[in-house]
Formats: sequence, structure tokens, C-alpha cells
Amino acid sequence: KQEVTQIPAALSVPEGENLVLNCSFTDSAIYNLQWFRQDPGKGLTSLLLIQSSQREQTSGRLNASLDKSSGRSTLYIAASQPGDSATYLCAVSEPGSGNTGKLIFGQGTTLQVKP
Amino acid sequence: SQTIHQWPATLVQPVGSPLSLECTVEGTSNPNLYWYRQAAGRGLQLLFYSVGIGQISSEVPQNLSASRPQDRQFILSSKKLLLSDSGFYLCAWSPYNEQFFGPGTRLTVL
Repeated sequence: KQEVTQIPAALSVPEGENLVLNCSFTDSAIYNLQWFRQDPGKGLTSLLLIQSSQREQTSGRLNASLDKSSGRSTLYIAASQPGDSATYLCAVSEPGSGNTGKLIFGQGTTLQVKP
Repeated sequence: SQTIHQWPATLVQPVGSPLSLECTVEGTSNPNLYWYRQAAGRGLQLLFYSVGIGQISSEVPQNLSASRPQDRQFILSSKKLLLSDSGFYLCAWSPYNEQFFGPGTRLTVL
């Protein structure tokens, strides 16, 4: 059974720092990995999607990498801002899920960026 | 562009009452649709998914049910709510690989 773990559970950094959020998964037979952002009381916003054949994806100050063989992904946030404060969730497609697109989520990392 | 709607945004219901949450997607056709529940301290749990009209798969045994009466409409229901049904309910859609989420419904069962 696929399990997704995110470390750390919470992180507090001063504004301007570069930071890395970690995600690990137990079964490397995934179709893709997706990073989301969730603000308190809100739905999830998709940040980056990495297909299993890709190594990384970039969007603005965000860069996500994928190492399937080791079961790891990292989300790198450059020059963090207070507006980046949120919970970041990692999700992987369930192995053998075919066209269902089912995702398995980690518990998330709650980030606080202090001004 | 595609948008996803959920209503109501918040709901307070007594134990034993029925439930109906609605999700609709605009600007796409034949999407995969999903219902998730997010409870405090338990992360995001997939409840149901649907790959087409009338096709519903249940992930977790419970007193909830789902229906897809139209291509872009997904409904979550219960005949009798339990206290443990409280949580944040999220609907999501997917054209193929990437999932996009709605704003959610906060359900409190008293």
C-alpha cells in the first residue's frame, strides 16, 4: 500500500530565505506527483505536476524535483515571502490506478514565513 | 476556462439528519470527479471517484453515498449523519492527470 510522508510537519522561516519541503513515497510505480498549496479553510491549489518520466518542473519561484527510484520529491521555494505561508501537500498517483487518477496524499507541511 | 463550484460553503446539521452536497464543473466534458474529506489530524481522504455518468467507486465503507446524475455534476449524500461525518469536504476534477479542487464545504454535525 502506497504511503506518502512529508517532512517537516511544520516550518517557520524569516522572509527571504530559500527553503526545501520534502515528500517521500513507498511505491515507486507512480504515474505522476502533484504539489498543492492550501490556505486555511480553503480548497487546494495545484502548484506543480511532475509526470513519472520527468525529473523536475518549475513555476516562478517554485521548483519541484522527482526521483522515482528513491521515492522522493522536493519542493524548493526561492526567496520566500509572507504570502507563501500555507500548508503544502504532496500527492502521488496510486500505483495501478490506470485512468482513475486516484491520488494518495501526504499529511502536509505547514509553512510560516515571518516578515 | 474550467471552474468548479461547491455548495453550500458551510453547513451545520444535527445528528441523524440527511445530507446533500453538490459539486459542478464548468468548461470541460467527461472529467473524472472525486470527493475527499479532510478531518482534523487525519489528512485528505478519498471517499468516492467517478470516471463517467452513473459510475461511482467507493473507497471507504461509511454511511455516505455519491451519485453522478449528469456529466459535470457530482453529489455527496447521507441518509443519517453521524458526529464523525464532520469535516471539510472537497470536490475535485481531473481531465487526465492533474487534479483541480473546489472551494470546499465545511460540515459540522452536532
